[in-house]
Amino acid sequence: ETGVTQSPTHLIKTRGQQVTLRCSSQSGHNTVSWYQQALGQGPQFIFQYYREEENGRGNFPPRFSGLQFPNYSSELNVNALELDDSALYLCASSSSGGRDTQYFGPGTRLTVL
Amino acid sequence: AQSVTQPDIHITVSEGASLELRCNYSYGATPYLFWYVQSPGQGLQLLLKYFSGDTLVQGIKGFEAEFKRSQSSFNLRKPSVHWSDAAEYFCAVGGYNQGGKLIFGQGTELSVKP
Repeated sequence: ETGVTQSPTHLIKTRGQQVTLRCSSQSGHNTVSWYQQALGQGPQFIFQYYREEENGRGNFPPRFSGLQFPNYSSELNVNALELDDSALYLCASSSSGGRDTQYFGPGTRLTVL
Repeated sequence: AQSVTQPDIHITVSEGASLELRCNYSYGATPYLFWYVQSPGQGLQLLLKYFSGDTLVQGIKGFEAEFKRSQSSFNLRKPSVHWSDAAEYFCAVGGYNQGGKLIFGQGTELSVKP
């Protein structure tokens, strides 16, 4: 059984650019949640995808968007990058629309210059 | 408002000593409670979880936590700390009707003295 994987591991972008982060869910899971973890902080919920539909959203602007594919992998897209978007982006997979334990991937470290 | 408070930002214990990390939550419904551990630059690993039933839950690596509804607490304990336990520990709360949203505390950094 494979765990949650994320790519890339690290990414450096400049302000105003766009970025796409990817997540492959754990085998048997149909739900992916995305979190942003700023340095020294706990993770903050961005949104969740369940069976290819957005299933909940945190307090993040519309320039944060996502997709979930039929194989339940997911993408997080961020447009018009700002310096404050620099963070560790974590995805977590689960079943039942998140009404179960969430298992986290290793994260993608995004640096915006 | 829903929130999680971890009052201790940083704790240092000696190897072999006991450990208790505090977690208090504010949540309007029946909570699901979790403890995760994070090593530097890594993702989160689940230590243990509480959904319902027995309020004392056992986890991996010898950790346990006790859910106390009257105190809105879910403290993490370990009887004897090992040097490899040094990491950041996060308490989180979620719920059945919350669309999978987990609310995390700010974390407690654990250092272990030899």
